[in-house]
Amino acid sequence: EPEVTQTPSHQVTQMGQEVILRCVPISNHLYFYWYRQILGQKVEFLVSFYNNEISEKSEIFDDQFSVERPDGSNFTLKIRSTKLEDSAMYFCASTTGVETQYFGPGTRLLVL
Amino acid sequence: GIQVEQSPPDLILQEGANSTLRCNFSDSVNNLQWFHQNPWGQLINLFYIPSGTKQNGRLSATTVATERYSLLYISSSQTTDSGVYFCAVRSNDYKLSFGAGTTVTVRA
Repeated sequence: EPEVTQTPSHQVTQMGQEVILRCVPISNHLYFYWYRQILGQKVEFLVSFYNNEISEKSEIFDDQFSVERPDGSNFTLKIRSTKLEDSAMYFCASTTGVETQYFGPGTRLLVL
Repeated sequence: GIQVEQSPPDLILQEGANSTLRCNFSDSVNNLQWFHQNPWGQLINLFYIPSGTKQNGRLSATTVATERYSLLYISSSQTTDSGVYFCAVRSNDYKLSFGAGTTVTVRA
């Protein structure tokens, strides 16, 4: 069964450093998402991406964040200058449209 | 935005017991999914169920869209059922809005 993959599984970084989280969505999917989950809290929407542009973003997704689909398979989330409060599990998801969103296994980011 | 409330927040079960988890939402939805978050943090898809009833093994789910709630049933619970169960809904946009989850602990 096709699945969403994410790399790395864990990342530790220093405050102020840039990080890039990578995702490979399911190949025939058209809509791509990033969500995050701070430890012990619920999953929060960050951004959705369709037709090579951002279709919706939350108030969390400020100028420090950007997304890109650099080629036909990868979908990346960049955090320009990490803060302590960016420590969280980041999930990528994809869907064909209105039905099931499939989530990747997540990248656990720790900012020191 | 749409509000999603899950109850109870915590549930402790003896192995073999049955349980019901509830998800209430504040607006009409086009998509409702149930997830199980395992101890490694992965979100496992359980059901895509915007309406009606589905069953998968010992798990089943029912969504009554007109009354804005969904129920997840766990029968004959096992220790491997432990974890956090999330309900997530999509309304008029494409993003999922998650509830706060129900933490289930199944004791042997």
